[in-house]
Amino acid sequence: NAGVTQTPKFRVLKTGQSMTLLCAQDMNHEYMYWYRQDPGMGLRLIHYSVGEGTTAKGEVPDGYNVSRLKKQNFLLGLESAAPSQTSVYFCASRSRDRAYNEQFFGPGTRLTVL
Amino acid sequence: RKEVEQDPGPFNVPEGATVAFNCTYSNSASQSFFWYRQDCRKEPKLLMSVYSSGNEDGRFTAQLNRASQYISLLIRDSKLSDSATYLCVVNAFAGGTSYGKLTFGQGTILTVHP
Repeated sequence: NAGVTQTPKFRVLKTGQSMTLLCAQDMNHEYMYWYRQDPGMGLRLIHYSVGEGTTAKGEVPDGYNVSRLKKQNFLLGLESAAPSQTSVYFCASRSRDRAYNEQFFGPGTRLTVL
Repeated sequence: RKEVEQDPGPFNVPEGATVAFNCTYSNSASQSFFWYRQDCRKEPKLLMSVYSSGNEDGRFTAQLNRASQYISLLIRDSKLSDSATYLCVVNAFAGGTSYGKLTFGQGTILTVHP
């Protein structure tokens, strides 16, 4: 049981390049989330998904797109990277059951945009 | 005003000390409250949920005051291994179903020294 995994762990991009971050979970969770964490800002929600084929905007969605084609995977895309997107990105998942309300996080992806 | 506010610290305490962290939240409709722990360059992990009646887990005690919209975490008999950032977390309830969305404080840094 790997929990939540993220690929890649590190990436350096040039301004204007695109990339996709992959999140995978093996806990059969319905809900999945993408956050970014910047110094002094705490974690901020980018997008989230409540099930396969559904996505919704979070607090800071601009410049990002997401897809949830399979229940276990949640992809975060940057179409044209900007230096302001330099951050640590965390994916998380959670059961839909309110009795199990813990969010489980992946190890993070450290992205630098030059 | 930030939705969840914490004293960023840092708190530097000797082993064996008792240390308390405070947090305030602005959304009076919030229903779920948590403390997460984040080690340096790692992902956040749930430390404990916070209930209205207060709850204890070993050396850790969490309390919630809904009237004052205030959450606290008390750590007794601090250990070196308690050194981490402690995140105050509140569910991002805005009417209807929150889908487990969370709002994070910026975190309080704790360093326990010998």
